[in-house]
Amino acid sequence: QITLKESGPTLVKPTQTLTLTCTFSGFSLSTSGVGVGWIRQPPGKALEWLALIYWNDDKRYSPSLKSRLTITKDTSKNQVVLTMTNMDPVDTATYYCAHSLTGTTFDPWGQGTLVTVSS
Amino acid sequence: QSVLTQPPSVSAAPGQKVTISCSGSSSNIGNNYVSWYQQLPGTAPKLLIYDNNKRPSGIPDRFSGSKSGTSATLGITGLQTGDEADYYCGTWDSSLSAYWVFGGGTKLTVL
Repeated sequence: QITLKESGPTLVKPTQTLTLTCTFSGFSLSTSGVGVGWIRQPPGKALEWLALIYWNDDKRYSPSLKSRLTITKDTSKNQVVLTMTNMDPVDTATYYCAHSLTGTTFDPWGQGTLVTVSS
Repeated sequence: QSVLTQPPSVSAAPGQKVTISCSGSSSNIGNNYVSWYQQLPGTAPKLLIYDNNKRPSGIPDRFSGSKSGTSATLGITGLQTGDEADYYCGTWDSSLSAYWVFGGGTKLTVL
């Protein structure tokens, strides 16, 4: 059974850097074809894809946020970390991580973590 | 404004059928697999359809997917009140560097 769980601060101040950790079980990020993605959802709004890291350390980013995002993996800890710099109130959202197989699906998803950006 | 266009809302009565469209272009739907996700109120999204028309195990055959050209469609038959949710399509876009895109989402109301 694959499970993922997001962790990190619930409140960050504008201009700060957000660091979120996705801790997973039931699969290995060293297995060919496997990836972990990050997706966010502002309150009452649509899903927005942020980034994806593959087993071979290939990384993909949303073009609109690429300059602010970094995704890394720690295979030994079964963790994927997403950092987002220069946070703004418009970045307030629930942040999800999800398992990806061959990059064509996101399944399953973590429960999500709500991050509020406010001074 | 999403690269993939979905109707904001659809509705139908219990037992009826509904379709949700997802319109894109040759840089996304036209050349990549489409997947669909169901998000029940207050929960994380769940995969419904992958590779245009495949159902993961545990997804009832009331849910179906299809793709034609640069558009994809999610179909739901035998509507139940428990199907009330937001539905999102998604796929890769290769217009710049490859990146994933979601549609703007469709709210399904079962009247």
